[in-house]
Amino acid sequence: EAGVVQSPRYKIIEKKQPVAFWCNPISGHNTLYWYLQNLGQGPELLIRYENEEAVDDSQLPKDRFSAERLKGVDSTLKIQPAELGDSAVYLCASSPGPAVAKNIQYFGAGTRLSVL
Amino acid sequence: GENVEQHPSTLSVQEGDSAVIKCTYSDSASNYFPWYKQELGKGPQLIIDIRSNVGEKKDQRIAVTLNKTAKHFSLHITETQPEDSAVYFCAASLPSNDMRFGAGTRLTVKP
Repeated sequence: EAGVVQSPRYKIIEKKQPVAFWCNPISGHNTLYWYLQNLGQGPELLIRYENEEAVDDSQLPKDRFSAERLKGVDSTLKIQPAELGDSAVYLCASSPGPAVAKNIQYFGAGTRLSVL
Repeated sequence: GENVEQHPSTLSVQEGDSAVIKCTYSDSASNYFPWYKQELGKGPQLIIDIRSNVGEKKDQRIAVTLNKTAKHFSLHITETQPEDSAVYFCAASLPSNDMRFGAGTRLTVKP
C-alpha cells in the first residue's frame, strides 16, 4: 500500500513569490494534517481536515497561507506571498479517522521550502 | 492547549548500550502517546505508541512507559545499533486528535 505522497520534495523560490504543495493521503484515510517543521524542531500543526472540512486551522497564518481539500482526498497548501521566514519543511500526514485506529498518523516525506 | 517537553535534546551512546528519552505533557486529558523516528530527509515514522489505559508496551528492542499521575512517558531502546541513529520525537494527543510534538532528541549510536 502506498504511503502519504507529497510533491514537490524540494522547492526554491524568491521571497514574495507564491508556492503550492500537494499531498495525497493514504487511501481511505479521512483525516489529513499539514504540519510545519522548522530546523531542529518538532512538527507544528497548521491545519487538520476531517474529510473536506477544516476542523482545526487555528495555527494557520491566514493572511498568506491557504489550504483546500476538495472531494476529501488530495490536499494543497499554498503560500502567497512567501517570506524568508517560511523556509522550513512542510509535512503532510493522514490517519484513518477517530472511529478507526483513532489518532495514528502516517507522515509523508515532506516538502523542503527555501525562500531566498 | 497541550504542551510537550522532551529531554535530552541530544544523546550519544555506544553500540549495545541502552538509550532513554523522556517526555512530559501538560494536559491530563491526553490519551495517546506515539513515538516517531525521523531520519535525514525523511518524514517521521511511527515506531511505537501507547494509550492512556496501558502503563507499558514493548516491541522487540524498544519499549515505552507511561506514568499518567506524573504526566510523563519514556522511550527505552536496548542493545542500540548504529541504524538507531536518528531524531526521535514524542507526542501527546487529546481525544479530539489535537496532537503536539516534543522538540526532538538526536540520538547518535557510536559503533
